[in-house]
Amino acid sequence: GENVEQHPSTLSVQEGDSAVIKCTYSDSASNYFPWYKQELGKRPQLIIDIRSNVGEKKDQRIAVTLNKTAKHFSLHITETQPEDSAVYFCAATLGDAGNMLTFGGGTRLMVKP
Amino acid sequence: DAGVIQSPRHEVTEMGQEVTLRCKPISGHNSLFWYRQTMMRGLELLIYFNNNVPIDDSGMPEDRFSAKMPNASFSTLKIQPSEPRDSAVYFCASRLGLASGELFFGEGSRLTVL
Repeated sequence: GENVEQHPSTLSVQEGDSAVIKCTYSDSASNYFPWYKQELGKRPQLIIDIRSNVGEKKDQRIAVTLNKTAKHFSLHITETQPEDSAVYFCAATLGDAGNMLTFGGGTRLMVKP
Repeated sequence: DAGVIQSPRHEVTEMGQEVTLRCKPISGHNSLFWYRQTMMRGLELLIYFNNNVPIDDSGMPEDRFSAKMPNASFSTLKIQPSEPRDSAVYFCASRLGLASGELFFGEGSRLTVL
């Protein structure tokens, strides 16, 4: 099955700086890569996703890049704000063939004011 | 829609007791997932259903765990007998359709087994 590795496990940045979180996956057939944000004590919520026919996607201060050859994808947050502090999870799945969404281990992002 | 609704939000029980967690998916969603979250193991998929039928339960840790979905608007996850290592937050999530798309999580049920 799919295996998703996520790095780093914790990340501390100064407000206004950029943050980058990286994930690698094992199954070259995976074609859907979402990112979820989980604030303390809350549920995970989708913030952005990318499909394998696209190399990059942006939504305001967040962007995701995908390198299918290397089997890795990254989340980029620019101009970080304290409210960006949360745990971020990447995931990968065979979007068409099945539902098996495999999550990475999570990255705890702390944005210091 | 009120979103995915889970109950109870918190449960504290003693080892050996039966625990039943409940989930109501978003109306119209036909895929339902049960995840377990712990510090050590992160988010683990336990089982998922499509159109009320269990598709993959390979993530269910052992026979003490069982899940049912008797109709499109209700699912249960049962642990019998419960053990301290079952302590975790259990999330139910639903999605429209079988293909990829946003997974909507409930608020979670925090289980503590003493």
